[in-house]
Amino acid sequence: EVHLVESGGGLVQPGGSLRLSCAASGFTFSSYWMTWVRQAPGKGLEWVAHIKPDGSEKYYVDSVKGRFTISRDSANNSLYLQLNSLRVEDTAVYYCAREAIRPYFDYWGQGTLVTVSS
Amino acid sequence: QLVLTQSPSASASLGASVKLTCTLSSGHSTYAIAWHQQQPEKGPRYLMNLNSDGSHTKGDGIPDRFSGSSSGAERYLTISSLQSEDEADYYCQTWGTGIRVFGGGTKLTVL
Repeated sequence: EVHLVESGGGLVQPGGSLRLSCAASGFTFSSYWMTWVRQAPGKGLEWVAHIKPDGSEKYYVDSVKGRFTISRDSANNSLYLQLNSLRVEDTAVYYCAREAIRPYFDYWGQGTLVTVSS
Repeated sequence: QLVLTQSPSASASLGASVKLTCTLSSGHSTYAIAWHQQQPEKGPRYLMNLNSDGSHTKGDGIPDRFSGSSSGAERYLTISSLQSEDEADYYCQTWGTGIRVFGGGTKLTVL
């Protein structure tokens, strides 16, 4: 059974940094694109970034380019999102998701909350 | 620009059927999409992927009450025999090279 478990969220001041993790199990992690999606309070889903199985390609939504970095460690079946230069508008629940062979998200984690506030 | 448009809200009675719509932007009418459900205070759950010809493949454990169809640039999610647990937000999602796109979501109320 596929499981995705996010961790690392918390309260951080504007301009601060945070590293999110997603522990994957139940599938061959090294074979799948992986994605981060976020949801601001009371808002819809927003795709943030995704990464190729071998880590050689990474793509980001414009609003986080240069501030967030997605990475992965296949030895530990883990996905990461480094959040730097955080802004109040980055406050959201961050979900990791697996991309199926066609690029829709077929499994989701339960999310981790990031709050950016002074 | 690849955009998905959804109505913000919909409602239907317990036991009835409802059809939610997701509209692809101009020039993207042949794109496939996926539907996701988000129940209150929960993470999203994948429902199905849906092709332009209406063929669709559902996720693990998704009941037969959920089905998809297509017409032109519109993609539909039909839920029959509505149950209270179907009250949720429903998002459509599609993709392009290097991008993934969500619709704004439809909040379904079961009366």
